[in-house]
Amino acid sequence: NAGVTQTPKFQVLKTGQSMTLQCAQDMNHNSMYWYRQDPGMGLRLIYYSASEGTTDKGEVPNGYNVSRLNKREFSLRLESAAPSQTSVYFCASRGGPYNSPLHFGNGTRLTVT
Amino acid sequence: AQSVSQHNHHVILSEAASLELGCNYSYGGTVNLFWYVQYPGQHLQLLLKYFSGDPLVKGIKGFEAEFIKSKFSFNLRKPSVQWSDTAEYFCAVNAGGYQKVTFGTGTKLQVIP
Repeated sequence: NAGVTQTPKFQVLKTGQSMTLQCAQDMNHNSMYWYRQDPGMGLRLIYYSASEGTTDKGEVPNGYNVSRLNKREFSLRLESAAPSQTSVYFCASRGGPYNSPLHFGNGTRLTVT
Repeated sequence: AQSVSQHNHHVILSEAASLELGCNYSYGGTVNLFWYVQYPGQHLQLLLKYFSGDPLVKGIKGFEAEFIKSKFSFNLRKPSVQWSDTAEYFCAVNAGGYQKVTFGTGTKLQVIP
């Protein structure tokens, strides 16, 4: 079982460049999430999708867009990268009721110079 | 809006010492509470969760947590830590009936042999 797969694992961008982080899960989960992790700030929710066809803003959505392409895939796009977006990005998914745990991918380490 | 506070940012213990990490949340209604662990270089994994019933929940690797509703707290405990418990620990909450999951800023635990 692959679980939650994120690509790429590492990326370096220049300020102003764009890119899309990909996330796919094979657990038939309804909900998917994008978090960023920064030292001393924990995980902050960027966007989430409670079900296929819906997306909602989290705590830090500015500078990002998302697409829930289908039930399996949830992508995160940076239209014009900024150094403040240097971070580790984690995708997660959750199936079942609201007390179900999140299943995380291995993360994407993004550096914006 | 739901939020989570973890007041201990960095804890250093000797092996066999007892551990208690604080977690307080703010939300007036029903909540689902989680503790996750992140070992160096890895993604987050679930330690334990609470959603109803016995307020003392037991998780993996000898960890337990107690939900005290009157104090809005969900502290993590372990009677005797091991070097292998060195990791970062995150408390998380989601309000009952909602898919949004909010994390605390994390506590780094360093266990000295």
